[in-house]
Amino acid sequence: QKEVEQNSGPLSVPEGAIASLNCTYSDRVSQSFFWYRQYSGKSPELIMSIYSNGDKEDGRFTAQLNKASQYVSLLIRDSQPSDSATYLCAVRGAQKLVFGQGTRLTINP
Amino acid sequence: DTGVSQDPRHKITKRGQNVTFRCDPISEHNRLYWYRQTLGQGPEFLTYFQNEAQLEKSRLLSDRFSAERPKGSFSTLEIQRTEQGDSAMYLCASSSQQGRAGANVLTFGAGSRLTVL
Repeated sequence: QKEVEQNSGPLSVPEGAIASLNCTYSDRVSQSFFWYRQYSGKSPELIMSIYSNGDKEDGRFTAQLNKASQYVSLLIRDSQPSDSATYLCAVRGAQKLVFGQGTRLTINP
Repeated sequence: DTGVSQDPRHKITKRGQNVTFRCDPISEHNRLYWYRQTLGQGPEFLTYFQNEAQLEKSRLLSDRFSAERPKGSFSTLEIQRTEQGDSAMYLCASSSQQGRAGANVLTFGAGSRLTVL
């Protein structure tokens, strides 16, 4: 079992709709969770961090964490074509950040 | 400070040659990470420094790979006797310890893309 798993997609969502991205992790003691966005040919950039169970909202983005189910999700409201990218879920282990394989998201105008 | 800098951005080399990548982290960051990313995959952890100490190395880091951070500032990643399977984007990231429960936010450089012919 991979430490961090995501559906690789591609996920296609119409402009203005809600995009939902999911991630599961295997290490129960993980405490810190991150979503990074990566445009093609570019390096990852941080979108959201979440440390406690529940929801965390930042503009059009909402991160959700459920430690009991070992599940993290990212919702993007009012999706825009500029949101088209690969979204990487990352979970902090003892020292390092472990990434999932990423979900490729395409927003269709 | 303009963020994490990596050099060179692109490197094309022949199989068997040695290559070296350099990373200059954000100046106040004491932690530095190297990751490798291939097409369609997420970044894979290679190694991690806190100041000048190399604290963790991945099994992916074979004996052909070596990383240093001699003065706790910039870092180098050297690959000896390159193989075609080494072709990838090599990403450097830095962080400072902050936030809850030792959470760190990694800031990535633009990456160094290696192509081994």
